Amino acid sequence: QVQLQESGAGLVKSLETLSLTCTVSGGSISSYHWSWIRQSAGKGLEWIGRIYTSGSTNYSPSLKSRVSISVDTSKNHFSLRLNSVTAADTAVYYCARDRGGWGEVWFESWGQGTLVTVSS
Amino acid sequence: QSVLTQPPSASGTPGQRVTMSCFGSSSNIGSNYVFWYQQLPGMAPKLLIYRNDQRPSGVPDRFSGSKSGTSASLAISGLRSEDEADYYCAAWDDSLSDGVFGGGTKLTVL
Repeated sequence: QVQLQESGAGLVKSLETLSLTCTVSGGSISSYHWSWIRQSAGKGLEWIGRIYTSGSTNYSPSLKSRVSISVDTSKNHFSLRLNSVTAADTAVYYCARDRGGWGEVWFESWGQGTLVTVSS
Repeated sequence: QSVLTQPPSASGTPGQRVTMSCFGSSSNIGSNYVFWYQQLPGMAPKLLIYRNDQRPSGVPDRFSGSKSGTSASLAISGLRSEDEADYYCAAWDDSLSDGVFGGGTKLTVL
């Protein structure tokens, strides 16, 4: 049974960079695609982007200019970086195992989520 | 507002069958699979239905999904108190090149 655990700073200053890591246990990170999703009171659930088994990525157009997702297979974790954050980026951030890839929103396992608050 | 439209609330009594809808367009539901997620209070979302009508292992057959044209539905039969949760539909949108979610339906078991 795969388990995912998000970690990272819970408080980020405005215009700085949000950095989160998702540690995967119970399975090899190399065998699946992985996504980040966030949930805010104002915008509900929002897909951020994914990294494929190949290492390639695709991102939500609304965040593409500010986001990057990477994977470290040696540590069995993948990471999210979101630059130039504002209050609108305050949300609970989830990592998820992405079964589908391009053209699907098939998130079969989720982490518990981590709240990131952007302060001015 | 969300690309996919869901009624904000639904309710039913124990044992009843309830359905909730998700409305989209030709660029999302009309041309791609629909997925449903259940979010219990204070918890992360959980995959409930994938590819329109498929249940992951462990999801009771009381839950069923369907799709027709640019809309989709989730049905719950034999409603139980533990089904009280928020339910979200999701699909890929070809025009936006983006994964999109509905705003969620809050199910209350009376």
